[in-house]
Amino acid sequence: ETGVTQSPTHLIKTRGQQVTLRCSSQSGHNTVSWYQQALGQGPQFIFQYYREEENGRGNFPPRFSGLQFPNYSSELNVNALELDDSALYLCASRRTNTEAFFGQGTRLTVV
Amino acid sequence: GIQVEQSPPDLILQEGANSTLRCNFSDSVNNLQWFHQNPWGQLINLFYIPSGTKQNGRLSATTVATERYSLLYISSSQTTDSGVYFCAVEEYQGAQKLVFGQGTRLTINP
Repeated sequence: ETGVTQSPTHLIKTRGQQVTLRCSSQSGHNTVSWYQQALGQGPQFIFQYYREEENGRGNFPPRFSGLQFPNYSSELNVNALELDDSALYLCASRRTNTEAFFGQGTRLTVV
Repeated sequence: GIQVEQSPPDLILQEGANSTLRCNFSDSVNNLQWFHQNPWGQLINLFYIPSGTKQNGRLSATTVATERYSLLYISSSQTTDSGVYFCAVEEYQGAQKLVFGQGTRLTINP
């Protein structure tokens, strides 16, 4: 049990739709980051939030956006869904310069 | 950016065997973590080990930062050890993001 929870666990969306994924960070953690894991691959960094500001971004287009709230919970929004967005989305939380803990993930299928 | 390579990509062993998983990285790191991904996708923390050696039960890990590699040892394997093992590193003075290797898929047969 990591203390990081994600919702929903599974989701099916149609191409072109928008989706919001949610993450509740572990208590005391001020940094949250999101990763995309395609089948058979390692997780890829999407972006990171610290004190409600994005402070790092991977190689993902602007239709991937996020928010971090004062209680350190977070959202990942993806607009104009494409078939290739089908993946496991993982949220991780940490205190600065310490180990990261991951949630159980949201499995998104785009049809 | 930093590159992370894990070997072997696949490993099949009998219950009770020992195994060594390797992670090579291309630059200095601020953080190195080993994870076990269970069949439901959850990444389970095994070790936070930017340098040195740690042990936790049947598992141990060693990171030699100066030579840019880390090893994960699993002794007396059990079927529940099956799954994918990931090494992830954070670049020294780089963006605070974890860069993952491609993983080692471990299968322990009864």
